[in-house]
Amino acid sequence: AQTVTQSQPEMSVQEAETVTLSCTYDTSENNYYLFWYKQPPSRQMILVIRQEAYKQQNATENRFSVNFQKAAKSFSLKISDSQLGDTAMYFCAFNVGGGADGLTFGKGTHLIIQP
Amino acid sequence: GAVVSQHPSWVICKSGTSVKIECRSLDFQATTMFWYRQFPKQSLMLMATSNEGSKATYEQGVEKDKFLINHASLTLSTLTVTSAHPEDSSFYICSARPWPVTGDDEQFFGPGTRLTVL
Repeated sequence: AQTVTQSQPEMSVQEAETVTLSCTYDTSENNYYLFWYKQPPSRQMILVIRQEAYKQQNATENRFSVNFQKAAKSFSLKISDSQLGDTAMYFCAFNVGGGADGLTFGKGTHLIIQP
Repeated sequence: GAVVSQHPSWVICKSGTSVKIECRSLDFQATTMFWYRQFPKQSLMLMATSNEGSKATYEQGVEKDKFLINHASLTLSTLTVTSAHPEDSSFYICSARPWPVTGDDEQFFGPGTRLTVL
């Protein structure tokens, strides 16, 4: 069974700062997918970034980037130039089949951006 | 594009009654949909995978007779909570995988349904 661990229940940073959310996972699979989802107070799940394990290059999406360390089974999310709208729960998630499989989520990190 | 809706957004029911929650893909077809459950201040847990025209696949520990899933069309999956009890109160979220698969093969989430059982 796969597990996803987020060890930071809550983080708080000032607006415009850079923040890194950590995520580790455990799997015996060689090829898989990793995701970061944002859940704002509306509770609508929003995909932030996705990484395929066979791709060595770290994924980036504008201010969001990941540090994917396959050997260490680590998948951290870096948010640069943080904005008030980034305040939300962030969930790290894993699956083997991409869109074909359900997701295993970590417990989440509540990120608060202070003005 | 890629919008998923859920109905109702919030439902309150009495203990012992059954409640049906709908998940619709509005602008795409979905042969596969997923149902998740989220308790307050907790993470999402996958309950089951719903495949159009076939029986749902339930995760270990999820009672299939309690949580009935029907995926009768390419745009609609329903979750029926039978004989609901207060411990079934939760936030239920669905996601849908577009078919045919294109691009990143992403699944799109609905806005969720809050179920309160009195």
